[in-house]
Amino acid sequence: NAGVTQTPKFRVLKTGQSMTLLCAQDMNHNSMYWYRQDPGMGLRLIHYSVGEGTTAKGEVPDGYNVSRLNKREFSLRLESAAPSQTSVYFCASSYTSSGSGEQFFGPGTRLTVL
Amino acid sequence: GENVEQHPSTLSVQEGDSAVIKCTYSDSASNYFPWYKQELGKRPQLIIDIRSNVGEKKDQRIAVTLNKTAKHFSLHITETQPEDSAVYFCAASPGWAAGNKLTFGGGTRVLVKP
Repeated sequence: NAGVTQTPKFRVLKTGQSMTLLCAQDMNHNSMYWYRQDPGMGLRLIHYSVGEGTTAKGEVPDGYNVSRLNKREFSLRLESAAPSQTSVYFCASSYTSSGSGEQFFGPGTRLTVL
Repeated sequence: GENVEQHPSTLSVQEGDSAVIKCTYSDSASNYFPWYKQELGKRPQLIIDIRSNVGEKKDQRIAVTLNKTAKHFSLHITETQPEDSAVYFCAASPGWAAGNKLTFGGGTRVLVKP
């Protein structure tokens, strides 16, 4: 099993450009999450999804859109990138049921916006 | 929303000594408290977690304690080894009914000196 995978690994954008980050998991998890991690800081939740057809805002949703494409895949889109969105983006997945909790993280996407 | 504060931000210990990291949370509805370890350039990985119905949990050299009344929890690493050098993050979650959302602390950079 690959676990949680993310594409691309690295990307450089110019201000105003758009891009989509893709996350996929093969653990049959129902919930998926997008976080951003800025230097020297903890992870902050952008958006999440607890099942197909559902998405919800996290702590820092502005400037980002998400789509839960199917149970396996969750995308994050930047419509008009800004330098403040330079960060490392992590996707995670987990079961959402009684007794669950552990989130499994992908390897991250390092995004630079010039 | 939930706010998690983590101290200290950096911690330097001699190999073989103990390390303690402390976190406080604000939302009394939080009931799941994981700790993640992140090595340089890698993804966060769960090392231990605790639920609100338990006061202490131990796994070999690591232990976590939780004081619900005071809304704080701590990570204890005994007999530290060079491979324990990493950034450690605490987090708090309101549980599966709220989508297992995690709010992270700012992280503690631990350096174990041989």
